Amino acid sequence: ETGVTQSPTHLIKTRGQQVTLRCSSQSGHNTVSWYQQALGQGPQFIFQYYREEENGRGNFPPRFSGLQFPNYSSELNVNALELDDSALYLCASSTRGDSYNEQFFGPGTRLTVL
Amino acid sequence: QQQVKQSPQSLIVQKGGISIINCAYENTAFDYFPWYQQFPGKGPALLIAIRPDVSEKKEGRFTISFNKSAKQFSLHIMDSQPGDSATYFCAARPGGTSYGKLTFGQGTILTVHP
Repeated sequence: ETGVTQSPTHLIKTRGQQVTLRCSSQSGHNTVSWYQQALGQGPQFIFQYYREEENGRGNFPPRFSGLQFPNYSSELNVNALELDDSALYLCASSTRGDSYNEQFFGPGTRLTVL
Repeated sequence: QQQVKQSPQSLIVQKGGISIINCAYENTAFDYFPWYQQFPGKGPALLIAIRPDVSEKKEGRFTISFNKSAKQFSLHIMDSQPGDSATYFCAARPGGTSYGKLTFGQGTILTVHP
């Protein structure tokens, strides 16, 4: 069984640029959630994708957008990067329909905005 | 009302001791309460989880105690080991269609001295 993988591991961007982060869900999982974890804080829910559609969104502006592909992998896109976007971006996969809908996290992508 | 408050921020325990981390919530719609363990440079890993229909769940050295009336839950780590040194997050998720929208606590940095 393959776990959740994310790419790239680290990324450095400048303010105003755009970035795309990628996530491959765990084998057998059909749902992907994205979280932002600032340094020293708990993860914050950005949004979730199921059946290639956004299914729930946290308190993040529209410049945070995503995609889910037929193979359940996902992308997180952030436009017009701001310094406060510097964080660890985590992807979690789960199986909708599972009674606990347990989420399994990837190792994250560390984004630094200069 | 969506917050989950976690304490303490940091905890130092001797090897073999008991580590106790507490969380409190306000949203009565939460119906799933997982605990995650996170090592530096890694994503959170699911440790143990509970639903509010039981007051306690034990898995190995890890126990969740749940008090529905007080809206509090805690993680107990028995016989703490240096390898348990990590950051621990409690989380909560509402029922219904809010699949995967985990709300995390602020985290507790646990250090177990040998």
